[in-house]
Amino acid sequence: ETGVTQSPTHLIKTRGQQVTLRCSSQSGHNTVSWYQQALGQGPQFIFQYYREEENGRGNFPPRFSGLQFPNYSSELNVNALELDDSALYLCASSSTPLFDSDTEAFFGQGTRLTVV
Amino acid sequence: AQSVTQLGSHVSVSEGALVLLRCNYSSSVPPYLFWYVQYPNQGLQLLLKYTSAATLVKGINGFEAEFKKSETSFHLTKPSAHMSDAAEYFCAVTGTGGGNKLTFGTGTQLKVEL
Repeated sequence: ETGVTQSPTHLIKTRGQQVTLRCSSQSGHNTVSWYQQALGQGPQFIFQYYREEENGRGNFPPRFSGLQFPNYSSELNVNALELDDSALYLCASSSTPLFDSDTEAFFGQGTRLTVV
Repeated sequence: AQSVTQLGSHVSVSEGALVLLRCNYSSSVPPYLFWYVQYPNQGLQLLLKYTSAATLVKGINGFEAEFKKSETSFHLTKPSAHMSDAAEYFCAVTGTGGGNKLTFGTGTQLKVEL
């Protein structure tokens, strides 16, 4: 158990709809990073939130947006869903925004999103 | 930009045999490198990481990896495979000194046979 909880675990949406995914970070952690893992691929960095501010973004369109709350939990919102958005969405919680010698990121179990 | 290449999307070994999963990085300066494992329907778990200290890194579950600058490699090994090692393994990289994102390889599915 990592202490990082994601909800829901699975959901099915229709193309064009909007979806919100949630991540509860580990106690004491102030950073949440989101990754998209398409079937058969490695995770791709979407963005990172550090102390409620976006702290870096990957190559994803603006319809992917996020929030981080004062308790450091986070949401990933995707608007105008496309079929290619079908993937496992992972969040990672860490105590600093850097992946370095002293920091370990703990991943949640993911949310499996299917767009039909 | 840093990247990693994992050779072999599927690797099959017998129980008790050596496990070797390959990872090569692309970077002009030695980056930080990581190996993660993903069991079915679960998130990623850190096995080990290289952050410019010892080049031979020992991780959990008997795994280790050696950073070889001359070969730009960070291959993952385990002397004796166990059935419970069957999973997907990802190599990842971030910038020297640390970075705020991990760039993952495409993964290697390890199958362990009796």
